[in-house]
Amino acid sequence: SAVISQKPSRDICQRGTSLTIQCQVDSQVTMMFWYRQQPGQSLTLIATANQGSEATYESGFVIDKFPISRPNLTFSTLTVSNMSPEDSSIYLCSVPAGFTDTQYFGPGTRLTVL
Amino acid sequence: GESVGLHLPTLSVQEGDNSIINCAYSNSASDYFIWYKQESGKGPQFIIDIRSNMDKRQGQRVTVLLNKTVKHLSLQIAATQPGDSAVYFCAEKSPSGTYKYIFGTGTRLKVLA
Repeated sequence: SAVISQKPSRDICQRGTSLTIQCQVDSQVTMMFWYRQQPGQSLTLIATANQGSEATYESGFVIDKFPISRPNLTFSTLTVSNMSPEDSSIYLCSVPAGFTDTQYFGPGTRLTVL
Repeated sequence: GESVGLHLPTLSVQEGDNSIINCAYSNSASDYFIWYKQESGKGPQFIIDIRSNMDKRQGQRVTVLLNKTVKHLSLQIAATQPGDSAVYFCAEKSPSGTYKYIFGTGTRLKVLA
């Protein structure tokens, strides 16, 4: 299975500021995914980050709020812009497991916005 | 819209007993399902998966059952241990998008000593 790391593991931020979350994978992957997990809730896909092209956003998520970079096949960043307390969540990146349909997840970034 | 839901938000089980966690899915065209375990402060961990051409799949102490007739998925954990305490999610691979998954709301499993 892929080894996925995220930075930071947690952060407390002031409203109106932005935070960039990094996701690093130990192997090259074509697609990386960003999820949000609001407190006590399930996971919701934010966007799919493809190397060499713009990210594909799910309904309810926009690039201005969650810009994504994918500079190479092992790294991606998600920025949470102009944060409000409603953005307090765990943000997770995931990657497909080889040529299977399975997805593996990183440890998550726990964000608290005051 | 598409949805995957769970019947019980919290399940308390005596240590050593078997646990059964249920999940309902809405899209009959979905052909792949995963169960994840999420411990506090960690990302979801893959437990077991099943394809729609199977009714049952067994792993180590875990079994997943798929009933396509009623669009129901269950995870059975044998001889539940304290380390099994976590939130369990089912995830349905959406037939509308490559690698797009729809996650259930989650069930918290509490193992009682």
